[in-house]
This record gives sequence, C-alpha cells and structure tokens, in this order.
Amino acid sequence: DAGITQSPRHKVTETGTPVTLRCHQTENHRYMYWYRQDPGHGLRLIHYSYGVKDTDKGEVSDGYSVSRSKTEDFLLTLESATSSQTSVYFCAISSVAVTNTEAFFGQGTRLTVV
Amino acid sequence: ELKVEQNPLFLSMQEGKNYTIYCNYSTTSDRLYWYRQDPGKSLESLFVLLSNGAVKQEGRLMASLDTKARLSTLHITAAVHDLSATYFCAVDQAGTALIFGKGTTLSVSS
Repeated sequence: DAGITQSPRHKVTETGTPVTLRCHQTENHRYMYWYRQDPGHGLRLIHYSYGVKDTDKGEVSDGYSVSRSKTEDFLLTLESATSSQTSVYFCAISSVAVTNTEAFFGQGTRLTVV
Repeated sequence: ELKVEQNPLFLSMQEGKNYTIYCNYSTTSDRLYWYRQDPGKSLESLFVLLSNGAVKQEGRLMASLDTKARLSTLHITAAVHDLSATYFCAVDQAGTALIFGKGTTLSVSS
C-alpha cells in the first residue's frame, strides 16, 4: 500500500471555524491532491500540488486553501467552515511518470460541519 | 474543461449475469484509470489503461480503452456477490490531475 496518512480521520466542527486537514506521504511523490466525495457527485478535485510551494485550483476550490511546505505534507484548510463543506475528503498522490499518472489514495477524513 | 460521464450510475445484477459499465470523456486523453470503492473505504486501483486499444483483465473484470471514441468500458462476466461495490473511472487531465466520473454502484444478488 502507498504510504499515505490522513489526519484526523474524523472531525466535527462548528460553522465559521477554521479547519485544517493533513495529508502525509512517505513515497516522495511529486504530485498530491485533495478531493471531496459527496453522494451523487463522485470525487471532485479541490486543489492539487505539483511540488513544494506549487499548487493549483481544482473544480471546487472556493472556500478552501492549501499549502505544501515539504514534499511529504499537503495541508487543506477550510478558512471558515460551512455546512456545505460536510463531506469525506480524500488525499491522493501520484508520481506522474511520463506515461502513468495513476493516483493512490489515503483512507479519507470524514468532516461534519454543524 | 474535461468532463467524465459514467453510466449507468446504479446497477443491480443477478449472480452469473454479464454487464458493461461505460465511461465517456469529453477531451482528448490516452490515460484512463478504473478504481473500486467498498462502502466506507478508500479507493483501490483496478486498471491502468495507457493507450488506445488497451485491454486489461483481472478475474471477472475486463477494461478497455478506445481513445478515438473517448470511451472506456468495464465488462463484468458472470457476476458474483463479492463484486458489489462502487466503480469509478478517472481520466488524466493533461498530466496534472485525474478527473473522476460520478461512479457506478453495483449490487449483485443471488
């Protein structure tokens, strides 16, 4: 299994509070991603990183920010949590070899905003 | 913008039957991936398809890719209960990220 650890695994927070989710990898992969999974929507890309301090937005980036200060860590921050951000969040990594961009997923973080 | 569509979204099958899940995508790509997700679990990689005409098989599942038609299929042969799960296809977006379909939830019953 790819060495990906997400923390926390479960969190309940109040509307309006900031929340940070952490993704840690031991594979030294260049690319890291944050997705959210909601019923009826599949997985949607929030942000991704292609190197230290290099990040870009995905299709549902509003209300989220990310940071990557080390190769192994990718943080997702909800600046002011809203109920619409209740979801399961998955981190993924990829080496993005020339021909193979297969992604490997962490175990997920279930976030509930009340 | 890359769009990925799967159909059907829900599939109820009897054991022993065959069926196909379809994955269409909107822009040129020659890299497509299939994942499986069990309830409450993470995504597990099933197949990596990296060229037009690629075909991969694992047990009762076979995946293929037609890049000209922008279509991938996941064929299930003689379904068994253990195949009950949600299956996702994902398409490479210009070598930066994978864009996922909404998933197909498969339920196999006897």
